[in-house]
Amino acid sequence: AQRVTQPEKLLSVFKGAPVELKCNYSYSGSPELFWYVQYSRQRLQLLLRHISRESIKGFTADLNKGETSFHLKKPFAQEEDSAMYYCALTFNTDKLIFGTGTRLQVFP
Amino acid sequence: GAVVSQHPSWVICKSGTSVKIECRSLDFQATTMFWYRQFPKQSLMLMATSNEGSKATYEQGVEKDKFLINHASLTLSTLTVTSAHPEDSSFYICSARGSRTQYFGPGTRLTVL
Repeated sequence: AQRVTQPEKLLSVFKGAPVELKCNYSYSGSPELFWYVQYSRQRLQLLLRHISRESIKGFTADLNKGETSFHLKKPFAQEEDSAMYYCALTFNTDKLIFGTGTRLQVFP
Repeated sequence: GAVVSQHPSWVICKSGTSVKIECRSLDFQATTMFWYRQFPKQSLMLMATSNEGSKATYEQGVEKDKFLINHASLTLSTLTVTSAHPEDSSFYICSARGSRTQYFGPGTRLTVL
């Protein structure tokens, strides 16, 4: 079965520190991977998708098919990055399968 | 950008009553909408896929007679929780498929007393 694993429930860093939110997936085919973010009291919104190969708000994520990972990285965390981050995948359909989420706390 | 609204944002009801939640795509048409359920501090779990003009497709373990979905137009899908019980209390989120991704509504918090 398809599954998305985010091993860390909470990640706390200080402002300016590098951040890596881990995401691993299990799927035998070629899924499409996403990172969604939910800021406090706001709705879930797309942060980035692997096929775009873009950097959004300083975040990047590279799909590693060998390790079946799609870790989210940012070299210098900002306080406004504090939020809930969800990794998700879809395969051949529109259905999104979400990981359990990682709460990122960036301290001043 | 694409905006999805939900109404109501929160609702409290008595056990045994039915509750209807609306999901609207405000500035785009969505042939496909999705309904999720989120328990506290847990991830979103897909309940069903709502297709305009046809029956919804439910995920395994989701009772279709309990959670009625109607997608009568390209901008509106409704989820009705029938004969609600306290265990149905949860945060219900809808999304609508846009050109690049799914756009999510703000969610509806249902509390069944």
